[in-house]
Amino acid sequence: TQLLEQSPQFLSIQEGENLTVYCNSSSVFSSLQWYRQEPGEGPVLLVTVVTGGEVKKLKRLTFQFGDARKDSSLHITAAQPGDTGLYLCAGARSQNFVFGPGTRLSVLP
Amino acid sequence: NAGVMQNPRHLVRRRGQEARLRCSPMKGHSHVYWYRQLPEEGLKFMVYLQKENIIDESGMPKERFSAEFPKEGPSILRIQQVVRGDSAAYFCASSPGGAPVTQYFGPGTRLLVL
Repeated sequence: TQLLEQSPQFLSIQEGENLTVYCNSSSVFSSLQWYRQEPGEGPVLLVTVVTGGEVKKLKRLTFQFGDARKDSSLHITAAQPGDTGLYLCAGARSQNFVFGPGTRLSVLP
Repeated sequence: NAGVMQNPRHLVRRRGQEARLRCSPMKGHSHVYWYRQLPEEGLKFMVYLQKENIIDESGMPKERFSAEFPKEGPSILRIQQVVRGDSAAYFCASSPGGAPVTQYFGPGTRLLVL
């Protein structure tokens, strides 16, 4: 049973388009993190959200934590080829983290 | 201001051999997490350690796998008598502690068991 679901699993879009990816769970998390991972590298932390309903912006990326702290979304405006990668969400539990399977994004020039 | 370091980056072992993976956390970080990632999958939690203590090993197989984080030196994930199914990328992350917990990942060790 996957504690964290991510959708879509794969996404291929043209440069300049907008997109939203989702991270959903039936569990409540004390905080949630988003990472981007490129082939052959470790995940790189993008953001940590803590409060239900919280919205954080990082340049063209907008992250939202659901009111009930069970889900989150990542919206990218005007996607660029450099945004290509595997986007992972991770929910914090008491002593560890649970990761979703990721959304693999490909932005075509 | 070095990040999390892992070595080796690539490790090839034959079935039955031992694999030792090392992780040096970021300066000032006393919390280390180990994860395993199979191709095209997310990360699976294995173990969480603080200096000299295992806090949570609920994700680590009961046999052949062990982890330590000594007072001095890097954290080590040890896999004895490796099998082909152990082939994966192993990542460690470190954290300074406190809340919310923020993890910073190393580049990973890619283990291939022949």
